[in-house]
Amino acid sequence: QKEVEQNSGPLSVPEGAIASLNCTYSDRGSQSFFWYRQYSGKSPELIMFIYSNGDKEDGRFTAQLNKASQYVSLLIRDSQPSDSATYLCAVEGDSNYQLIWGAGTKLIIKP
Amino acid sequence: NAGVTQTPKFQVLKTGQSMTLQCAQDMNHNSMYWYRQDPGMGLRLIYYSASEGTTDKGEVPNGYNVSRLNKREFSLRLESAAPSQTSVYFCASMRLAGGETQYFGPGTRLLVL
Repeated sequence: QKEVEQNSGPLSVPEGAIASLNCTYSDRGSQSFFWYRQYSGKSPELIMFIYSNGDKEDGRFTAQLNKASQYVSLLIRDSQPSDSATYLCAVEGDSNYQLIWGAGTKLIIKP
Repeated sequence: NAGVTQTPKFQVLKTGQSMTLQCAQDMNHNSMYWYRQDPGMGLRLIYYSASEGTTDKGEVPNGYNVSRLNKREFSLRLESAAPSQTSVYFCASMRLAGGETQYFGPGTRLLVL
């Protein structure tokens, strides 16, 4: 059974600081990795995807992938209260039509 | 361009009743998905349709059936609702396979009494 693990949190970070969210996965053969944000009562929306080892930056967001250690992380710089949400990590599954989802980390940015 | 739409937004059923959740996408995507999300848990795949004319079981298919009506529409049917099916149901679509992004509808909140 392929798994994606995330710390459920909540992770509390002061406004303006860096929030670091982590995700580990069990399938060494996974190739595609996604971070989604889900506000309370809303549907998930894509923040970033990453395919290659290393860092990928998009504005205040940086995704980091380490395939050897089987983890992917999301850094949010200059955290804002509007970043408060649950962040879901998803990894390409057995079939490349499917994603395996973590349970999500709840992030709280304190003003 | 509405993206992925779902109806209804909210539904209350009694145990044993049936209902169909509707999903449509206008992005010309090939693959469509039905997930359920329970408190404190991630998304669990119920069924998916990789392309028009095909459907496959996901992680939690028991108690559900699906129909890929055409390329745009993918419905989820509960034949005899049970309290354990109380959940939030999300439909999603994806353009192609192989590391593409899934786009989600707004969700249907289902309460089974």
